[in-house]
Amino acid sequence: GQQLNQSPQSMFIQEGEDVSMNCTSSSIFNTWLWYKQEPGEGPVLLIALYKAGELTSNGRLTAQFGITRKDSFLNISASIPSDVGIYFCAGQLGNSGGYQKVTFGTGTKLQVIP
Amino acid sequence: NAGVTQTPKFQVLKTGQSMTLQCAQDMNHNSMYWYRQDPGMGLRLIYYSASEGTTDKGEVPNGYNVSRLNKREFSLRLESAAPSQTSVYFCASRFGTGVYGYTFGSGTRLTVV
Repeated sequence: GQQLNQSPQSMFIQEGEDVSMNCTSSSIFNTWLWYKQEPGEGPVLLIALYKAGELTSNGRLTAQFGITRKDSFLNISASIPSDVGIYFCAGQLGNSGGYQKVTFGTGTKLQVIP
Repeated sequence: NAGVTQTPKFQVLKTGQSMTLQCAQDMNHNSMYWYRQDPGMGLRLIYYSASEGTTDKGEVPNGYNVSRLNKREFSLRLESAAPSQTSVYFCASRFGTGVYGYTFGSGTRLTVV
């Protein structure tokens, strides 16, 4: 089935550093979603993007919907220890009328060294 | 706190045993979903229910059945568990089926031996 490729797969960074990760697809999407999953918990929605080129922030997190509609990027500024977790992207083709399939990426595991 | 509640949190089954995973949401969401999460595979949809009274297969439905008991509850049943069903299972809900993101439960870690 369709998959989203996320990179990097994992990263270790120093507290205070900025983080960048991305998600690419061979198909276009009309909605991109970014989730964070902490150990032993379900994913939690961070940011939703609905338009190509859109740039949206949520605190220290900023995500962009790629112009080609085949990619999306997530940046975290000034990382802190509680940013640790797995970050998932998800793409959705449609945005109205009936069930719309959501495809999840394989995740980027982030570890922050205090 | 409002959200999606899953039970149990952990379960070990022997091959061939059956069990039902329970899920309930109190956000008045219309659609509910069951996903499994395996290392390196992302989240894969097993079954979903777009609204009360309807259920449909997702990407990996074989070996599972579901019941949308009412608007709040959506259960997942394994009739004859197999080791390949060892996974972490997540229930999720969302308001519609379109633009909204999911709210996930905290998961059930299932091991089949």
